[in-house]
Amino acid sequence: EAQVTQNPRYLITVTGKKLTVTCSQNMNHEYMSWYRQDPGLGLRQIYYSMNVEVTDKGDVPEGYKVSRKEKRNFPLILESPSPNQTSLYFCASSSLRSTGLNTGELFFGEGSRLTVL
Amino acid sequence: AQSVAQPEDQVNVAEGNPLTVKCTYSVSGNPYLFWYVQYPNRGLQFLLKYITGDNLVKGSYGFEAEFNKSQTSFHLKKPSALVSDSALYFCAPSDNYGQNFVFGPGTRLSVLP
Repeated sequence: EAQVTQNPRYLITVTGKKLTVTCSQNMNHEYMSWYRQDPGLGLRQIYYSMNVEVTDKGDVPEGYKVSRKEKRNFPLILESPSPNQTSLYFCASSSLRSTGLNTGELFFGEGSRLTVL
Repeated sequence: AQSVAQPEDQVNVAEGNPLTVKCTYSVSGNPYLFWYVQYPNRGLQFLLKYITGDNLVKGSYGFEAEFNKSQTSFHLKKPSALVSDSALYFCAPSDNYGQNFVFGPGTRLSVLP
């Protein structure tokens, strides 16, 4: 089954304690991206990656890091979390080539709800 | 750079009635326009897209959307709403065929039995 898997789904942590949210996709997609969803603000892009070892900032990258060492994985790292990073986080992936079923749309994970105390 | 507006936070419609969720956008170059739906406690799911061709595009679950270039709109429609259509709907233009998306704030659709 084609899917994007995020872990953990729920996490409560304290200010300053480093954490990593993992994201893995099994569709051989080139493109992967992280978003945060906050009430009234929709989804805002944090970082994205066009392929292995290629990452770039989105609209709200401050306080986050990412890496893309393998095509399937795109972890989101919060080196020193703060309460304003309390949010619902989504990882998404898509193919950059239009070949039949690969039509450019994003496939989303189920989300990771993070609370920073 | 692209931007998007969904002017209604909430849309209420009776089951069986037609529904419209509005979206206007601004993009540089050719617009690539997407609609996504988010059910409670779930990730977003692709509904439909406009890339080129016919202005009326059809998607999943009986939804369709009409691209209007002169009004820069891409409204989501369905002829007959179901209670199960109740969800949060996002319009998302993209600047380059599925690369940098911008998501609107979302419109919550409530279909009343």
